Amino acid sequence: EDQVTQSPEALRLQEGESSSLNCSYTVSGLRGLFWYRQDPGKGPEFLFTLYSAGEEKEKERLKATLTKKESFLHITAPKPEDSATYLCAVTNFGNEKLTFGTGTRLTIIP
Amino acid sequence: IAGITQAPTSQILAAGRRMTLRCTQDMRHNAMYWYRQDLGLGLRLIHYSNTAGTTGKGEVPDGYSVSRANTDDFPLTLASAVPSQTSVYFCASSDWGNRRRGDFTQHFGDGTRLSIL
Repeated sequence: EDQVTQSPEALRLQEGESSSLNCSYTVSGLRGLFWYRQDPGKGPEFLFTLYSAGEEKEKERLKATLTKKESFLHITAPKPEDSATYLCAVTNFGNEKLTFGTGTRLTIIP
Repeated sequence: IAGITQAPTSQILAAGRRMTLRCTQDMRHNAMYWYRQDLGLGLRLIHYSNTAGTTGKGEVPDGYSVSRANTDDFPLTLASAVPSQTSVYFCASSDWGNRRRGDFTQHFGDGTRLSIL
């Protein structure tokens, strides 16, 4: 059974203070690891897909990296509008189902 | 803007009543999904459909049913609602099955907040 664990559960940062969110996973043949952003009262918004260890992807102040056991979402010089819950999910080659972690709630303080 | 539309956005329902949550997508994706999101448990898959005319059970299917009569619509029905079904329900779609890499990304609607009293 695929499993995803995200840490920390919550993170408060000052504006401009860089940090990283962690997503540890176990999966029977990783097909893809996904990062989503979720704002209160909204559905998850797709950010990145990573397919293999060593891969990196960037979007504005966010960079996602992948190893064989975990993924990191690095946030550089965050702004208050980066405040959201960040979700990690995996899918394997056996089916199309996503297994989600419980998320990290990020708050950026002005 | 193309995407997923869910209705209603919120609902309060008496226990024992029947309720259908609606989901429509205009991206012509072949696969659709229903999740529920509960505090501390994350998103859990209820039912899915890989293509019109087929459905499958996810992690928490009991008490729910779905149908997929066409590509665009994927309604979720609670036949007799119970308080434990109080949750936020999200519909998603993907182009799963397309052999081009990355086409299995799931895209989500903004959810239905359902309270069962």
